[in-house]
Amino acid sequence: SQQGEEDPQALSIQEGENATMNCSYKTSINNLQWYRQNSGRGLVHLILIRSNEREKHSGRLRVTLDTSKKSSSLLITASRAADTASYFCATDGQTGANSKLTFGKGITLSVRP
Amino acid sequence: DSGVTQTPKHLITATGQRVTLRCSPRSGDLSVYWYQQSLDQGLQFLIQYYNGEERAKGNILERFSAQQFPDLHSELNLSSLELGDSALYFCASSVPPGLLYFGPGTRLLVL
Repeated sequence: SQQGEEDPQALSIQEGENATMNCSYKTSINNLQWYRQNSGRGLVHLILIRSNEREKHSGRLRVTLDTSKKSSSLLITASRAADTASYFCATDGQTGANSKLTFGKGITLSVRP
Repeated sequence: DSGVTQTPKHLITATGQRVTLRCSPRSGDLSVYWYQQSLDQGLQFLIQYYNGEERAKGNILERFSAQQFPDLHSELNLSSLELGDSALYFCASSVPPGLLYFGPGTRLLVL
């Protein structure tokens, strides 16, 4: 079964709005990562948050982590049409090993111009 | 551009056939990971190699095998292909335990 599960499955917003995507996971983690995938392309790493961190920023991205609830959220502020993509969270099952990364099924984000 | 290259981009073949997918990692990355992405299963980890040695195995079928060569490029061999093997196959590389850098993928269609 998938360790990380994203919510919602699909999100459609207007350019300039904020997009919030959620990820829940089942077992303890060392870190949680978010990736973006443009249609039919490879995944691109966005941000990594460690289990002892609660919030992290990177440009227009803000990631939060609540280990007590086993959940994370990815916020994209002031969205652009170019943000249209699928977004995945990935967790490492407390191993810290990339080989143990399990990905959710992803959230499809559509940003309307 | 992640620096990871994969060939071919597309592959169409018939059931029962065998294909080889190739991956060249980023310069300096010793680890190569193979993933399969399908609509129903999502992104599944198949296998990892580190500096030529198998390091970890995931949900890889016995019909599939991989290797990493001395120049660090890797090949994923898929044999006795079935319709259900149609998917996107990604290679990723890293300097463990660092971030994964994904290639553009090979889209395999088994008819």
